[in-house]
Amino acid sequence: GQNIDQPTEMTATEGAIVQINCTYQTSGFNGLFWYQQHAGEAPTFLSYNVLDGLEEKGRFSSFLSRSKGYSYLLLKELQMKDSASYLCAVSGNNRLAFGKGNQVVVIP
Amino acid sequence: DADVTQTPRNRITKTGKRIMLECSQTKGHDRMYWYRQDPGLGLRLIYYSFDVKDINKGEISDGYSVSRQAQAKFSLSLESAIPNQTALYFCATRGWSDTETQYFGPGTRLLVL
Repeated sequence: GQNIDQPTEMTATEGAIVQINCTYQTSGFNGLFWYQQHAGEAPTFLSYNVLDGLEEKGRFSSFLSRSKGYSYLLLKELQMKDSASYLCAVSGNNRLAFGKGNQVVVIP
Repeated sequence: DADVTQTPRNRITKTGKRIMLECSQTKGHDRMYWYRQDPGLGLRLIYYSFDVKDINKGEISDGYSVSRQAQAKFSLSLESAIPNQTALYFCATRGWSDTETQYFGPGTRLLVL
């Protein structure tokens, strides 16, 4: 089975940096995905990690430690449009298991 | 045009009614999924399919059924809708590898009275 844990909500100021954590326990692992979801809309793909280490993509970076069952998503230079829910999802056994999401609220 | 479409986008129905939600994709993917999303509970998998006529239960399949008659289409039915099936429903597709992302449809907002 799979167990994915994420904190629920955080508030940050425009221009700041936030780190969103995700811990997981899984019986099969083919990588970890991060998605962004604005209220009432579909999740959209942000990043994918399958090897340990940091993947950087513009203002967003994602880190994975397979031995610790841990990942984080780093959002830099926060913008108002970054206010959204961020979902981590573990790939394994032909499916994705999603965490409950972390709501980030960006304030001016 | 969107790669994954869902119809209807919004639906209000009454307890006991049968309804069908449709999903179509132009990505040529074999794997298709139905999820529901409730506040505080995240995305939960209802059913998934790896090919035409292939059907697999997810974690919350009770009260739902699906049909995969063509590669591009995957429909979800609520045989007798109940109020706790009020939720946001998403269809998703995925390529052949577990290293590939899923692509989500825009969602169907369902209200069961």
